[in-house]
Amino acid sequence: EIVMTQAPATLSVSPGERATLSCRTSQSVSSNLAWYQQKPGQAPRLLIYGASTRATGVPARFGGSGSGTEFTLTISSLQSEDFAVYYCQQYNNWPLTFGGGAKVEI
Amino acid sequence: EVQLVESGGGLVQPGGSLRLSCAASGLTFSSYAMYWVRQAPGMGLEWVSLISDSGGYTNYADSVKGRFTISRDNSKNTLYLQMNSLRVEDTAVYYCARRSISNSNYFDYWGQGVLVAVSS
Repeated sequence: EIVMTQAPATLSVSPGERATLSCRTSQSVSSNLAWYQQKPGQAPRLLIYGASTRATGVPARFGGSGSGTEFTLTISSLQSEDFAVYYCQQYNNWPLTFGGGAKVEI
Repeated sequence: EVQLVESGGGLVQPGGSLRLSCAASGLTFSSYAMYWVRQAPGMGLEWVSLISDSGGYTNYADSVKGRFTISRDNSKNTLYLQMNSLRVEDTAVYYCARRSISNSNYFDYWGQGVLVAVSS
């Protein structure tokens, strides 16, 4: 099973600042990595797939990068609606696995 | 608009059974593989099961293999999860989710989730 490690677990930032979240996998997943955003009481929402492709309707301030075992989600200028928990997920191998989540808070 | 609506959750005793349903609309249901993903209270996400578009292929996480059964009825646009021999650690919000339109194993639409609580 591929183990996904997200860092930091919690990121404290101010609106307008840049946020950078990391996801590391225990073995290479090529570019088969997705990012999701989850707000309290809501289902996850797909943000990024293929490590760097924004899903439909996702604002341009969200960017993904990386390949192999190191990935990054960057939010260029945080808006109030971006404070949430972010999960990475690999889909290169079975079982599909998620990172433990990273909370972006004020 | 794609909509996935789960139902069937509730409180059940350890060792009991429950069947979840996920009603799909706004998509050609029979064209998509579907998944169940769960989230224990205050915890992260865990993939549970996959079923192919035709229903001919299924896959399960080791944690539920032999106890849970995924199925679908394409004539009713509905996905199911039969959960038997439930354990306290199965307590979670269960989400149904659609395989991506690119046919890769990430999830582009999710239901709102249904809570399953296993407790005596």
